[in-house]
Amino acid sequence: AQSVSQHNHHVILSEAASLELGCNYSYGGTVNLFWYVQYPGQHLQLLLKYFSGDPLVKGIKGFEAEFIKSKFSFNLRKPSVQWSDTAEYFCAVKDYGQNFVFGPGTRLSVLP
Amino acid sequence: EAGVAQSPRYKIIEKRQSVAFWCNPISGHATLYWYQQILGQGPKLLIQFQNNGVVDDSQLPKDRFSAERLKGVDSTLKIQPAKLEDSAVYLCASSLSWTGDTEAFFGQGTRLTVV
Repeated sequence: AQSVSQHNHHVILSEAASLELGCNYSYGGTVNLFWYVQYPGQHLQLLLKYFSGDPLVKGIKGFEAEFIKSKFSFNLRKPSVQWSDTAEYFCAVKDYGQNFVFGPGTRLSVLP
Repeated sequence: EAGVAQSPRYKIIEKRQSVAFWCNPISGHATLYWYQQILGQGPKLLIQFQNNGVVDDSQLPKDRFSAERLKGVDSTLKIQPAKLEDSAVYLCASSLSWTGDTEAFFGQGTRLTVV
């Protein structure tokens, strides 16, 4: 069965620092990849998604992610974080016809 | 467009009691999911519906959990009897279809505390 791992449980950064959150999945077939964000007190929202094509995908609020098939990875990046990016970030993988499998999440705290 | 609606937002019950959660997905979304999110963990699928049929309920503890989506629209998830370890946020999500290249939209969730 598909599984997803996220490298960091809790990341603490100062504003303007660069961010990279790691995500790896286990199954090597055709997959669709997602990053969801959960701001404090809010519901899970889609940040970005990869279905096919250019492995570098851009999402909302300046986030981007790179799909590296050979490494089973889909890392999330942002060149300069803001205090408002404080949230929990979840990587998710979906096989064709299957459900979404989520990673354990990474909590990001951005210090003003 | 209206999002996924869930109720109640919060529920506190004693162990061995029963509880039910309701979800109304986005209009036109054929696929509906129920997830359990325990504090500090990612969401874990309980059950997936395609219209009113069950696609995947392999992780649903069927001795105590049940779910239905009778008319292929809204859905209810029930726990009877509840255990302390059922304390979690129960998330409902919907997507346009079950194919891989569709995203899921999530509701606010129901936070259940079993005491």
